[in-house]
Amino acid sequence: KQEVTQIPAALSVPEGENLVLNCSFTDSAIYNLQWFRQDPGKGLTSLLLIQSSQREQTSGRLNASLDKSSGRSTLYIAASQPGDSATYLCALRTGGATNKLIFGTGTLLAVQP
Amino acid sequence: SAVISQKPSRDICQRGTSLTIQCQVDSQVTMMFWYRQQPGQSLTLIATANQGSEATYESGFVIDKFPISRPNLTFSTLTVSNMSPEDSSIYLCSVAGTTDSYEQYFGPGTRLTVT
Repeated sequence: KQEVTQIPAALSVPEGENLVLNCSFTDSAIYNLQWFRQDPGKGLTSLLLIQSSQREQTSGRLNASLDKSSGRSTLYIAASQPGDSATYLCALRTGGATNKLIFGTGTLLAVQP
Repeated sequence: SAVISQKPSRDICQRGTSLTIQCQVDSQVTMMFWYRQQPGQSLTLIATANQGSEATYESGFVIDKFPISRPNLTFSTLTVSNMSPEDSSIYLCSVAGTTDSYEQYFGPGTRLTVT
């Protein structure tokens, strides 16, 4: 059974720091992996999607990597800002559209001004 | 990408009543998904709704408690029936993109509090 874990559960950093969020999974047979951001009491915003054949994706200050052999994905945030404060969730899909997303436990990020 | 709207955005309901949540997508999609997020928890899939067929429910969720309608390719409703305080959660509607990437998009959520 696929399990997805995110470490750390919570993280507090001063503004301007670069930081890395981790996502681990137990089964390397994945279709893709998606990183989301969730503000308190709100829905999810898709940040980056990495297909199983890709190693990384970049969007602005965000960079996500995928290493299937080690069962890991990382989300790198450069030059963090207070507006980055949110919960970050990774979710992986094991097949095509008929397969559900399996969500990680989430990392609550607070960027202090 | 897909733009998803949900109504209501939040509600406070009394125990024993029912609430119907609406989800509207700006494009036609084959499958719509309903998720629940309990306080402090990650997301759990309730059911998958295909147009023209019965919804498929995940383990632990039943149709009598969470009836779903899917009348067309852009709209779905989820009803939370006979509510108890344990149903207090954020309920989210979601769709998967139609390209091979199957990128998933989520609505803004409905925050439900049951008193």
